[in-house]
Amino acid sequence: KNEVEQSPQNLTAQEGEFITINCSYSVGISALHWLQQHPGGGIVSLFMLSSGKKKHGRLIATINIQEKHSSLHITASHPRDSAVYICAVRGGSEKLVFGKGTKLTVNP
Amino acid sequence: DGGITQSPKYLFRKEGQNVTLSCEQNLNHDAMYWYRQDPGQGLRLIYYSQIVNDFQKGDIAEGYSVSREKKESFPLTVTSAQKNPTAFYLCASSIVGRGLGNEQFFGPGTRLTVL
Repeated sequence: KNEVEQSPQNLTAQEGEFITINCSYSVGISALHWLQQHPGGGIVSLFMLSSGKKKHGRLIATINIQEKHSSLHITASHPRDSAVYICAVRGGSEKLVFGKGTKLTVNP
Repeated sequence: DGGITQSPKYLFRKEGQNVTLSCEQNLNHDAMYWYRQDPGQGLRLIYYSQIVNDFQKGDIAEGYSVSREKKESFPLTVTSAQKNPTAFYLCASSIVGRGLGNEQFFGPGTRLTVL
C-alpha cells in the first residue's frame, strides 16, 4: 500500500472552473510538498508546507496534520494549468515519498 | 542562471550495455538525488548523496551505481544488471538539514530506452 494516496487520478475541467486535488498520507511527516510536472517531464516545486495554508497566485495549498490530509486548489483554471500534480511527504529522513500524481486537463 | 541540468534528454541503448546519465547543479546544494519514474507510479528513489564522496542507496538501488566526486556532479550509471532499465530518470538537489524538509529542485529528466 502506497504511503501517499492522491485523488482523483485523472481530472478534466473546463477553463475557469475551481479545481481541488487531494492527498492523504499514512505516516508522520515533517513537511508536505506539492509538485507540478509538465508534459515534457520537468518538475517544478509549487509548495512546501508543514501546517496551515499557503497561497501563490491562483494556487492554494492546505494541510491538516491531525487528519493527515492536504489539498491543492486552483482557482479560475486555465489550459496552461494542464499538468500532473504530485504530492510528496517527508518523514524523519531527507527522503521524500511520492504519490502517483493527478493528471489535470483543462479544456478551453 | 542557477539550476540543474541533465543530459542527454533522450538516450537509447542496446540491452546489456552500461549507460551513464549526467546530472550537474550550480545551486551550491549539498544533497543530490536520483529518481526513477514509470508510468502510473510515483517517483522512486534510486540513490542520494548528502556530501561529496558519500552516498546512500534508496529504495531501488539494485542495478545502478553512482559517484559524487564533486559537489556539482552526481552521475548515475545504469548497469546491465538492471532488469528493466527503460524509464524516465530525474535528478534533484536540495540543501541539507533544517528539520522541516527542504525543497528539492529537479532537473528536466532523461528518458532512457533500452532496445
